[in-house]
Amino acid sequence: DIQLTQSPSFLSASVGDRVTITCRASQGISSYLAWYQQKPGKAPKLLIYAASTLQSGVPSRFSGSGSGTEFTLTISSLQPEDFATYYCQQLNSYPSFGGGTKVEIK
Amino acid sequence: QVQLQESGPGLVKPSETLSLTCAVSGYSISSGYYWGWIRQPPGKGLEWIGSIYHSGSTYYNPSLKSRVTISVDTSKNQFSLKLSSVTAADTAVYYCARRPTVTTPFDYWGQGTLVTVSS
Repeated sequence: DIQLTQSPSFLSASVGDRVTITCRASQGISSYLAWYQQKPGKAPKLLIYAASTLQSGVPSRFSGSGSGTEFTLTISSLQPEDFATYYCQQLNSYPSFGGGTKVEIK
Repeated sequence: QVQLQESGPGLVKPSETLSLTCAVSGYSISSGYYWGWIRQPPGKGLEWIGSIYHSGSTYYNPSLKSRVTISVDTSKNQFSLKLSSVTAADTAVYYCARRPTVTTPFDYWGQGTLVTVSS
């Protein structure tokens, strides 16, 4: 089984801040990694796939990087609508998700 | 616009079988893609349950494989989940979703349905 560890699990930030979330895989997964955003009571929304490709319609302030075992999601300038929980997902073997990072307003 | 909608009982008794259906509109399942189920216990993270290809090939989470059956009905453009011998630990919001290929993520999701396991 491939385990994904996200850090931090909780993040407090202000509007306009640059935010970085890390996802580490227990073994190499090439670039088979995606990032989702989930708001309370809603289904997850795909933000990034193939580690760094922005899903259509997703604002350019979101970016992803990494390969192998270490990946990052960066929000260049946090907006009010970005306060949510973010999950990474690996697709190298059967899909598994990270534990999530909750981004809250400071 | 692709849309997915889960349906099924919101309350299931322990030891019984949970059954959910996902109706797809805006895309014909028989045209391709993978169709899956994901769940999320209240206040917790996401867990992939399994996926089915339009041809009927299935892929299950090893931790749930002995209890899960996913099937597809292309004539009704829907797919279904059965989870047997449920316990309180199976209480969760269940989502259905679409994946273009086996190595790409879920791009369209249903709104989710809460299933509670309780007597």
